[in-house]
Amino acid sequence: AQSVTQPDIHITVSEGASLELRCNYSYGATPYLFWYVQSPGQGLQLLLKYFSGDTLVQGIKGFEAEFKRSQSSFNLRKPSVHWSDAAEYFCAVGARTSYDKVIFGPGTSLSVIP
Amino acid sequence: NAGVTQTPKFQVLKTGQSMTLQCAQDMNHEYMSWYRQDPGMGLRLIHYSVGAGITDQGEVPNGYNVSRSTTEDFPLRLLSAAPSQTSVYFCASSASGAFEAFFGQGTRLTVV
Repeated sequence: AQSVTQPDIHITVSEGASLELRCNYSYGATPYLFWYVQSPGQGLQLLLKYFSGDTLVQGIKGFEAEFKRSQSSFNLRKPSVHWSDAAEYFCAVGARTSYDKVIFGPGTSLSVIP
Repeated sequence: NAGVTQTPKFQVLKTGQSMTLQCAQDMNHEYMSWYRQDPGMGLRLIHYSVGAGITDQGEVPNGYNVSRSTTEDFPLRLLSAAPSQTSVYFCASSASGAFEAFFGQGTRLTVV
């Protein structure tokens, strides 16, 4: 069965510092991978996705993520965090053979210190 | 462009009451879904639909009903509310199955 773990429940970084949010998945084959962001009181917004090809994918708002098959990971990074990046971040995994469901991780809450 | 619209935004119910959470999208997406969000558990799929007239169960369907009579609308019905259904509910739609979904702003439901 598919599963997604996000080891960090909460992370605090200073504005301008770099950021890496961890995501690990369990799946028997190469999955489809996603990162979503949820700002306070809002719905989720897709940041980026990985389907195939280049393992480093670029997303919106200056985020990128790298798929590492050997580590079953899809970590999200940003070189310089802005105060507006404070939000909840969710990693999700989908199956290539089942387009009707994705599994979400528990989320990582990001706080940004001015 | 409204995207995905959910109503109401907030609701308090008494145990045993029924209600319908509304969801409408204006992007002509075939796929729509309902999730519930609970602290530390991410989003869990309740029900989904791949097109008008077609619905299926997700991970946590018990206590909820759905129907899909039009492409635009996908209401979620709570038949007899229980405190365990206190949660934030999100509706989502997509042109590509569950992938790359657009989410509504959520409905915060409290059952007392």
